Amino acid sequence: GQQVMQIPQYQHVQEGEDFTTYCNSSTTLSNIQWYKQRPGGHPVFLIQLVKSGEVKKQKRLTFQFGEAKKNSSLHITATQTTDVGTYFCAAEGSARQLTFGSGTQLTVLP
Amino acid sequence: DAGVTQSPTHLIKTRGQHVTLRCSPISGHKSVSWYQQVLGQGPQFIFQYYEKEERGRGNFPDRFSARQFPNYSSELNVNALLLGDSALYLCASSPGQGAAEAFFGQGTRLTVV
Repeated sequence: GQQVMQIPQYQHVQEGEDFTTYCNSSTTLSNIQWYKQRPGGHPVFLIQLVKSGEVKKQKRLTFQFGEAKKNSSLHITATQTTDVGTYFCAAEGSARQLTFGSGTQLTVLP
Repeated sequence: DAGVTQSPTHLIKTRGQHVTLRCSPISGHKSVSWYQQVLGQGPQFIFQYYEKEERGRGNFPDRFSARQFPNYSSELNVNALLLGDSALYLCASSPGQGAAEAFFGQGTRLTVV
C-alpha cells in the first residue's frame, strides 16, 4: 500500500527559529495535504497541494510540492509558541483514504 | 456553523464488549471517514463512506464495521473489543467524494480494560 515517510520525528527549536518538516513517497501522489494536531487535540486541515512544483503560503507557513509530486515540505519562519504541535502530511490514495505520515512533533522553547 | 461532532468523547469498555461511536459531519458534507489514532502515531484509515455507500476500507479486521445514514451521519461499530483497540477514533467529513480537505471531529477516546 501507499506509504508516506515524514522526517524528522521530533524537532525542538527556540522561539524565533525556523522549522521545516519533510514528507516523501516512493510513488507519485495525486495531492498532498498538511494537518496540525495540537497536544490533546484533533488534526486540523492546513492546506492541500495538487500541482507539480506548487508553493503556497499562509502567513509564516510555506508549503511546497515537489516537481515529481513525490515529496513535500512545510516550512515555518520565526516560530512562535502557538506553533507547538504535531504536523502531519497526508496523501489521498486510490481507495479514497488519507495515508498519513508519522508526523513531526514540534516543540518551541520560549 | 457546527463542525464535525462526535459522541461520546470518552469511553471505557471491557474486553469482549461491543462499542458504537457516532459522528455528525459538517452540514453539506456527504463524505465521512473514520480513522484510528494510537498515541504517538498518525491516524490510520478505517472506512470511508459517500452517499451512504462504503467507498473505501482500510486494513482492519471484520470486527470493525460502519454505516452512513440518510442524513449523512455515521456510526462506527467495533465488536469483541481487544486491549489493542484502545485509541482515539476520529471521524472526518469532506466536501467532495474523496478524503481531501478532511475536517476532523474532536474524536472519541476509547479505553479497553
